[in-house]
Amino acid sequence: QSALTQPASVSGSPGQSITISCTGTSSDVGSYNLVSWYQQHPGKAPKLMIYEVSKRPSGVSNRFSGSKSGNTASLTISGLQAEDEADYYCCSYAGSSTFGVFGGGTKLTVL
Amino acid sequence: EVQLVESGGGLVQPGRSLRLSCAASGFTFDDYAMHWVRQAPGKGLEWVSGISWNSGSIGYADSVKGRFTISRDNAKNSLYLQMNSLRAEDTALYYCAKDMFPAAGSNFDYWGQGTLVTVSS
Repeated sequence: QSALTQPASVSGSPGQSITISCTGTSSDVGSYNLVSWYQQHPGKAPKLMIYEVSKRPSGVSNRFSGSKSGNTASLTISGLQAEDEADYYCCSYAGSSTFGVFGGGTKLTVL
Repeated sequence: EVQLVESGGGLVQPGRSLRLSCAASGFTFDDYAMHWVRQAPGKGLEWVSGISWNSGSIGYADSVKGRFTISRDNAKNSLYLQMNSLRAEDTALYYCAKDMFPAAGSNFDYWGQGTLVTVSS
């Protein structure tokens, strides 16, 4: 039950696009189309941005998109805005006794 | 409006017990799985435990298995986490989170504000 691997930090300028990777194993990311992404601003509760790899909850901007290939999932944010600066976490279903395993988190800086 | 309000956190000595509660409102509680997710100070998120809509499916992280017990009371719209044999490494903000589906998965669409548990002598 190891944590998923994310880059510690990424950065981009306003208007640019960035991608955050999330690497797991064949026991979690690779086995299920059940990867979700969360945005967390300092001192706030996490917010669901993407679920089931690429679906957006109601109210989430279409600038956020998700994908998966093999054991690696990705979150892409296009048209970067200042308010996108936050920590981002991926999470994958990992089986019937370990429902969720998170990544270590990625700090996004908007330059 | 969906609301999840955690309570029961506090300062506790190593080896002691604590019971967290989460009061849910604004949705049909017994239609959804529920989870506990924690965040140690300055650290990332860690899934702790989850329970399906009817308590038929329960899961735990390896780090808490055998020490923590999750339960729910659908009549009271409440989720619980009984934490025994607490360790310093259990110190964290504990979030209650709602799943998007009845079966426990990894899609947490609503979160509470958390309750802080500090394990220290």
